[in-house]
Amino acid sequence: DQQVKQNSPSLSVQEGRISILNCDYTNSMFDYFLWYKKYPAEGPTFLISISSIKDKNEDGRFTVFLNKSAKHLSLHIVPSQPGDSAVYFCAASERLKDAGNMLTFGGGTRLMVKP
Amino acid sequence: SQTIHQWPATLVQPVGSPLSLECTVEGTSNPNLYWYRQAAGRGLQLLFYSVGIGQISSEVPQNLSASRPQDRQFILSSKKLLLSDSGFYLCAWSRPNEQYFGPGTRLTVT
Repeated sequence: DQQVKQNSPSLSVQEGRISILNCDYTNSMFDYFLWYKKYPAEGPTFLISISSIKDKNEDGRFTVFLNKSAKHLSLHIVPSQPGDSAVYFCAASERLKDAGNMLTFGGGTRLMVKP
Repeated sequence: SQTIHQWPATLVQPVGSPLSLECTVEGTSNPNLYWYRQAAGRGLQLLFYSVGIGQISSEVPQNLSASRPQDRQFILSSKKLLLSDSGFYLCAWSRPNEQYFGPGTRLTVT
């Protein structure tokens, strides 16, 4: 059973327009949510995060929205640039009993921004 | 600043051979460390995590094992590789809530 789902495997957007990547989760114990960007053959790069007590966090062109009642979060990229083309992973964090946190990842969405 | 290293970057090994992947972190002390695997076309799966030297927790039963001999060193091993062990292996360290990933090791088992 997938606890974190990204239902769109790919998304194509024109340069300058908004990219919206979506993520749904099922586990109410998740208390922190993150977005990572990944290029082929590289490790994921942390982009932006949001605590479960907030509904919006903004960092430059990137904004993450959290709807706890719907167990849904989204990443907005405005304006989209060709360099944003990559695979984006949504991740949800829960505390581990022996300290630290565990991330559960969605399957990823491949974003293609066309010039 | 903190940096995380993994080696080797790529590895091709025959079925039944042993494996040792190494991860080291610089610029922080007593980090939580993690091993993930990304199989082809799939998301990231947590394999092991460690909150301190000698402390290893496994999230999935498998052919692999992990060890943490030093504070900032995390090793992923296998005595006999299977074809299904092929994938992209990622090491990560964490601050509270956020995890930061190394460059990864591409393992191909033939």
